[in-house]
Amino acid sequence: EVQLVESGGGLVQPGRSLRLSCSASGFTFGDHGMSWVRQAPGKGLEWVGFIRSKPYGGTAEYAASVKGGFTISRDDSKSIAYLQINSLKTEDTAVYYCTRGRDFFHTGSYSHWGQGTLVTVSS
Amino acid sequence: DIQMTQSPSTLSASVGDRVTITCRASQSISSWLAWYQQKPGKAPKLLIYEASSLESGVPSRFSGSGSGTEFTLTISSLQPDDFVTYYCQQYSSYPWTFGQGTKVEIK
Repeated sequence: EVQLVESGGGLVQPGRSLRLSCSASGFTFGDHGMSWVRQAPGKGLEWVGFIRSKPYGGTAEYAASVKGGFTISRDDSKSIAYLQINSLKTEDTAVYYCTRGRDFFHTGSYSHWGQGTLVTVSS
Repeated sequence: DIQMTQSPSTLSASVGDRVTITCRASQSISSWLAWYQQKPGKAPKLLIYEASSLESGVPSRFSGSGSGTEFTLTISSLQPDDFVTYYCQQYSSYPWTFGQGTKVEIK
């Protein structure tokens, strides 16, 4: 069974940095691209970014709203995806979900989601 | 960026009703569209991928159609569990984007 477990969220002051982790199990992590999606309190879903699997270059794509401030990386040896968030702003307050596409051909349709980790940015 | 616009934002209906939610893309996305259902406090659940393919385990009352720029999610007979929020999402070109959501309420 595919499992995605996020961690690393919490209360953080504006301007600080945070690294979220997504621990994966139940599948060959290195074969799959991984994504992050966030949801501000009471708001809709916002796509954050995607990292390709190493066979496809291991590079990442980002939403315009986070480009330059967020970095997605992966450690295939540990089956973990990371989301590094620098210079946190109050508008970054959200639940952050780690997601995986349903198959290799539909990497952008997310059949697997973690439970989410809440990041609250406040002084 | 491709903008995804859902309509309506809120839909009032009764158990047993047939309802349709529309999602429009600002440019052609072929059939690279997914639909999700989200219950309060929970992660979204994939209902439909590639515009019209039903995800495994999803009830057959859910169906999707469309291609290019206009798409629909239809629930053929609303059940009590269906009164929640639905999102469309394009995965044709980066950045992938979501619609703003449609909340289905009890009339």
